[in-house]
Amino acid sequence: NAGVTQTPKFRVLKTGQSMTLLCAQDMNHEYMYWYRQDPGMGLRLIHYSVGEGTTAKGEVPDGYNVSRLKKQNFLLGLESAAPSQTSVYFCASSSSTPTQYEQYFGPGTRLTVT
Amino acid sequence: AQSVTQPDIHITVSEGASLELRCNYSYGATPYLFWYVQSPGQGLQLLLKYFSGDTLVQGIKGFEAEFKRSQSSFNLRKPSVHWSDAAEYFCAVGPYNTDKLIFGTGTRLQVFP
Repeated sequence: NAGVTQTPKFRVLKTGQSMTLLCAQDMNHEYMYWYRQDPGMGLRLIHYSVGEGTTAKGEVPDGYNVSRLKKQNFLLGLESAAPSQTSVYFCASSSSTPTQYEQYFGPGTRLTVT
Repeated sequence: AQSVTQPDIHITVSEGASLELRCNYSYGATPYLFWYVQSPGQGLQLLLKYFSGDTLVQGIKGFEAEFKRSQSSFNLRKPSVHWSDAAEYFCAVGPYNTDKLIFGTGTRLQVFP
């Protein structure tokens, strides 16, 4: 039982390049989330999904897109990376609403945009 | 609007000393409150949560938190800190059946031997 895994762990991009972060969970969770963590800012929600085929915007969605084609996977895309997107990205999942069910977090992806 | 404030960015304590991390929230009704811990290089892990009932909740790793409605606070405590408790701690809040939680900015705990 791997829990929540994130690929890749580290990535360096040049401004304007694109990339996709993959989050996978093997707990059959309905809800999945993408956060970014920046010094002094805590965790900010980018996008989330409450089930396969659904997505919704969080607090800081601009510059990112997501897809949830399979229940176990949640992809985060950066179409044209900017230095402001340098951050640590965390994926999380929960069985249902996070006030009732614990969110499980992945180990994070450290992204640097130069 | 809901919000969470963690007034202390960085706290340093000696091993064996007691610990209290502060969390204040802003919400119109009694919220659901959480404390998460992030060990270096890892994702977050749930320490404890408060929904209703007893205002003192026990969590994992010997932590507890007390909900005080009059002060809009949910402070995290531990009687005796261990070096392995060095981490970043996040308070979070959400209303009943929300799709998402709001996290505070975190408090980094450093433990000296």
